[in-house]
Amino acid sequence: RKEVEQDPGPFNVPEGATVAFNCTYSNSASQSFFWYRQDCRKEPKLLMSVYSSGNEDGRFTAQLNRASQYISLLIRDSKLSDSATYLCVVRLNDYKLSFGAGTTVTVRA
Amino acid sequence: DAGVIQSPRHEVTEMGQEVTLRCKPISGHDYLFWYRQTMMRGLELLIYFNNNVPIDDSGMPEDRFSAKMPNASFSTLKIQPSEPRDSAVYFCASRAGTGGRTGELFFGEGSRLTVL
Repeated sequence: RKEVEQDPGPFNVPEGATVAFNCTYSNSASQSFFWYRQDCRKEPKLLMSVYSSGNEDGRFTAQLNRASQYISLLIRDSKLSDSATYLCVVRLNDYKLSFGAGTTVTVRA
Repeated sequence: DAGVIQSPRHEVTEMGQEVTLRCKPISGHDYLFWYRQTMMRGLELLIYFNNNVPIDDSGMPEDRFSAKMPNASFSTLKIQPSEPRDSAVYFCASRAGTGGRTGELFFGEGSRLTVL
């Protein structure tokens, strides 16, 4: 079983729509959780950390459910510039981050 | 500030040839990571260094792969001999300390390797 699993998508949504997707992780001892964003043929970049109580960063909301071992990301009022692959990332220890394969989101005009 | 710098950006080579990928981490970052990304396997950690010392190379696929970090500002990933299945994007990333709560890794733009 993969350490981090994501629905690959793609999620095709119109501008202004809300899109949400999850990822699941297998190691219950995982310490921290993050969403990274990767544009086509570019490097991954940190989008936001995911805190136990849930957190927002502008139009982005992240949730963590430790009991069920899943993380979610919701994007409100989608923009064309939100089109990217979103990588779910789990921190297993001080150095090791496990990356999911990514969920592709395409926002259309 | 300059980010993580990788070279070459693109490399096309023939099977059996030696490939050397280079990385300059962000100044002051004491952790350096080499990742490989493919469509099939996603991002895989190959090896990481702390203060220039290799700490965990369990992700290195086989003896054909080797990595060095002779000083704090330079690292290489070498594949010898290269094989078509090594075709991938190789990312170098660096981080200061344990990255704190953000766990943020700063990635270079990647080296896209094609082995024919």
